[in-house]
Amino acid sequence: DTEVTQTPKHLVMGMTNKKSLKCEQHMGHRAMYWYKQKAKKPPELMFVYSYEKLSINESVPSRFSPECPNSSLLNLHLHALQPEDSALYLCASSPNDYSNQPQHFGDGTRLSIL
Amino acid sequence: DQQVKQNSPSLSVQEGRISILNCDYTNSMFDYFLWYKKYPAEGPTFLISISSIKDKNEDGRFTVFLNKSAKHLSLHIVPSQPGDSAVYFCAARAPQGAQKLVFGQGTRLTINP
Repeated sequence: DTEVTQTPKHLVMGMTNKKSLKCEQHMGHRAMYWYKQKAKKPPELMFVYSYEKLSINESVPSRFSPECPNSSLLNLHLHALQPEDSALYLCASSPNDYSNQPQHFGDGTRLSIL
Repeated sequence: DQQVKQNSPSLSVQEGRISILNCDYTNSMFDYFLWYKKYPAEGPTFLISISSIKDKNEDGRFTVFLNKSAKHLSLHIVPSQPGDSAVYFCAARAPQGAQKLVFGQGTRLTINP
């Protein structure tokens, strides 16, 4: 059982839709992450939140908008996405963003843009 | 610029034998290294990690070796079991004060009965 829960597991949306991905953890972790993984490629970091504040944005297009409403929740708001944004979106968490502690991943949301 | 490389896309090993997965990196400032296992339709699962101040870390059947002079790390699994069949990613933490992980391309390990 993964301790990082992502919903929905699958999402199909048109290029004009607005949708949100949700990530939740109850391990008391204070750092949370969004990654994007294309088929047969490694995960690529998108955003890092530390103590509910955005600390890293890896030059992600503004059609992706992260939000961390509290220490347990992380959202990724999607708007006007392109077909090339179809991918597996992974959320991860770790106790903090500076010590030698591993990140724990959810099972991801598989996103398809029509 | 691929800072973390896994040069073997796939590896096939007999059940009960040792599996050795390799990873090379280019940035000598990386200070923390991890191995993750990934099954289809699941997220990566953390296996084992090593700090740059160590050269070996063991956890049950899994041992990670770090050779800083060669910028090389390896994961040894012994004995290999059919449930070990998965894609294995090595990852390194970028030295920027935050947990920015850089992943290798992955190696698909198949354990044959």
